[in-house]
Amino acid sequence: DGGITQSPKYLFRKEGQNVTLSCEQNLNHDAMYWYRQDPGQGLRLIYYSQIVNDFQKGDIAEGYSVSREKKESFPLTVTSAQKNPTAFYLCASSIESGSNYEQYFGPGTRLTVT
Amino acid sequence: QQQVKQSPQSLIVQKGGISIINCAYENTAFDYFPWYQQFPGKGPALLIAIRPDVSEKKEGRFTISFNKSAKQFSLHIMDSQPGDSATYFCAASNVDKIIFGKGTRLHILP
Repeated sequence: DGGITQSPKYLFRKEGQNVTLSCEQNLNHDAMYWYRQDPGQGLRLIYYSQIVNDFQKGDIAEGYSVSREKKESFPLTVTSAQKNPTAFYLCASSIESGSNYEQYFGPGTRLTVT
Repeated sequence: QQQVKQSPQSLIVQKGGISIINCAYENTAFDYFPWYQQFPGKGPALLIAIRPDVSEKKEGRFTISFNKSAKQFSLHIMDSQPGDSATYFCAASNVDKIIFGKGTRLHILP
């Protein structure tokens, strides 16, 4: 059963703590992405990776970090430096490096920081 | 230059009616225009997409109309059903980038 898995679905953290969101895909896709979704804001790109061991900042990378040690995995860490971390986080992948034509999304993780 | 403007922000349509969502882009370098459908608490799913060399693409009840000269494209949902109630995102992309509209919340009245 191919797809993108994000875990957990809901995550609660205290302010000042770092938290890591998991994203795994078994689609054999080269490129992976992290988006943040806030009401009325659409999808905003945090980080993306077109190949293992390489990643690029998106439009709102401040306060976030990522790693891409395996093709299948692209975890996102929300650090304490992120001023407004409560949001719905979406991971996506696309078939080819450098291809933005069709992105496939995971089910999302809703992070609440209090 | 990199924006995709989507309207309306929200839309209410009677069951059986036609839902129309519009998008406009600025960068002529975009060459792929997908629409995504997102249900509450779920990730967006690719619904239908078009390239600028055609003016219309139809898949079932969903049709994209594309006006290259006006840099506008729209999604039409024919015979709208309550199960179509969701948030719809348009996007414009090329090999370097994808830009999403801010979404339209569609509610179909039963």
